[in-house]
Amino acid sequence: DTGVSQDPRHKITKRGQNVTFRCDPISEHNRLYWYRQTLGQGPEFLTYFQNEAQLEKSRLLSDRFSAERPKGSFSTLEIQRTEQGDSAMYLCASTPSAGFGEKLFFGSGTQLSVL
Amino acid sequence: EDQVTQSPEALRLQEGESSSLNCSYTVSGLRGLFWYRQDPGKGPEFLFTLYSAGEEKEKERLKATLTKKESFLHITAPKPEDSATYLCAVQALQGGSEKLVFGKGTKLTVNP
Repeated sequence: DTGVSQDPRHKITKRGQNVTFRCDPISEHNRLYWYRQTLGQGPEFLTYFQNEAQLEKSRLLSDRFSAERPKGSFSTLEIQRTEQGDSAMYLCASTPSAGFGEKLFFGSGTQLSVL
Repeated sequence: EDQVTQSPEALRLQEGESSSLNCSYTVSGLRGLFWYRQDPGKGPEFLFTLYSAGEEKEKERLKATLTKKESFLHITAPKPEDSATYLCAVQALQGGSEKLVFGKGTKLTVNP
């Protein structure tokens, strides 16, 4: 296993700009998750994919956020018209498709700073 | 709404000094409770899943236990390399959601 890979590791942007992050899950992991974590807080669920299908989105997720997973492989998370409140660590995780209880394998995250 | 509260927020121990971390939860039917470890600048790393009250799991110096309202992570004779933030999370039965609801974590520092 090469692990879950996220790119970039760090992103600094100005308020109002669009940003896109990429996540490459562990190969053959069908399930992919995006979480957001701010300093001193635990990760907060954003969305979940089973293969290419986006099956769940957080009610807290603004419509400025969109995620895709074309062909069920890598995933991208785009934030449009960034705001200072979007500054956070964006974490991606994957797990094999199976019954409940599969552990999530997290990447090291993309740290976003909105100036 | 599902909720997880961890205490203490931070804990300093001397090497070899055993202690416990607490995770209290409120959930509409528990599907599972998870413990993760997170090092600075990295994503969380899975430790344990507990499913029902009375269940216990162990890994090296760590032991996790579960009751109907809380979970404990016991650390026996910790070493400096156990220093990390320990996160607790729950997954609810209701609604078939896949999301984990995390607590804020306990930052553990083990001094040599």
